[in-house]
Formats: sequence, structure tokens, C-alpha cells
Amino acid sequence: TAGITQAPTSQILAAGRSMTLRCTQDMRHNAMYWYRQDLGLGLRLIHYSNTAGTTGKGEVPDGYSVSRANTDDFPLTLASAVPSQTSVYFCASSDSGVNEQFFGPGTRLTVL
Amino acid sequence: GQNIDQPTEMTATEGAIVQINCTYQTSGFNGLFWYQQHAGEAPTFLSYNVLDGLEEKGRFSSFLSRSKGYSYLLLKELQMKDSASYLCAGMDSNYQLIWGAGTKLIIKP
Repeated sequence: TAGITQAPTSQILAAGRSMTLRCTQDMRHNAMYWYRQDLGLGLRLIHYSNTAGTTGKGEVPDGYSVSRANTDDFPLTLASAVPSQTSVYFCASSDSGVNEQFFGPGTRLTVL
Repeated sequence: GQNIDQPTEMTATEGAIVQINCTYQTSGFNGLFWYQQHAGEAPTFLSYNVLDGLEEKGRFSSFLSRSKGYSYLLLKELQMKDSASYLCAGMDSNYQLIWGAGTKLIIKP
């Protein structure tokens, strides 16, 4: 079982360009999440989805959008990247309710 | 507001015991999670507490006091591979995790 995968592993992006970070899980989890992790800060929730067809805003949603067309996929799009979006991005999934979250390997994004 | 506090860094000796503390403040409370994160890797689940008391899992134990908004992770018989960051996270009433910044644990031989 692959679990949860992310692509790409890393990317350097010019400011102003758009990009989609991909996330796929094969555990049939209802809930999926996108976090960013910056040095000295905790994981911060960008967007989440409690079930296919629904999404919600987390703590730091500005500049990002998501979609959840099916159970397995939860892509994160940066419409016009800015240097402050340089970060490590983690996708996670879980069963609904009080359950542990499983994390993908992360995408390291640098915006220049 | 919601907040998780834990020390930034701790150092311990191989074979010893270390306790990593965490205080939390969340809107509603659905439990306290601990994750381990090795450098350059994803966080992985260690433990979950929702009731007061100690949960033991091998060399790792986690404690919760709801009245004090306090938890700790206890690591026994430290091994070099335990060098990692340990993340404390509280689950709020919306089932969202509120994360601390993590405690970097350095193990010395």
C-alpha cells in the first residue's frame, strides 16, 4: 500500500507563476489536509476537506486554492506564487472524527 | 485563542530518560496527539490521549492532565535514532489539530 503520495518532491518557482501540488491517498480516508511547515513555527493548516466535494479554509488560506473531486485526490494550487510561500508543504489524510492523520512525504517549494 | 507551547530544544544522553512537556489551549478539546518527525521527513503518529493519565507504548509514554491543560511525552532508554523533533498537537471541537512548533531532541552518546 502506497499510503499517501505527493508530487513533486521539490520545486523552484518564479514569483508570479502558478503551480499545483499534487496529493493522492489510497486509504479511502474521508478527510484530507494541506499544511505548510516553516522553521520555528508549527504546522499551519492551509485548507482541508472533510469529504469528497467539500472544502474548508484553515488558518492560512490566502493565495491558495484546493479542490476535492474524488476521495483520493486533493490538489493544492498557488495561482500567483510569492516568495513568502516558500515552505515545505505536507498533505495528510485521516478517517473522519478523532483519528490520527497520516502524512505524505512533503513538497519543498522555493519561490524566487 | 488556541495555542500549544513546548520547548524549542532539549538534549539528553543515550540510555537515559527524557520528558518533553506541552501545554495547550484549544477551543473545545478532543484529545492530545504526539508525533515524531525526523529531519527532512514527514511527521509520524506516536500517541493519543483524551482521558487523564498515562498511556504506555513500549519505550514511549504520554501523559495528560485536562484540568491543567498539560501533557508530556516520556522517552525511556534513549537511542540515537530517537534524535528527532517531537510535535504536540491538540484537537479542537472541529476535529482540527492545533500544532506546537515542535521540540528538537538531541541525543548525545
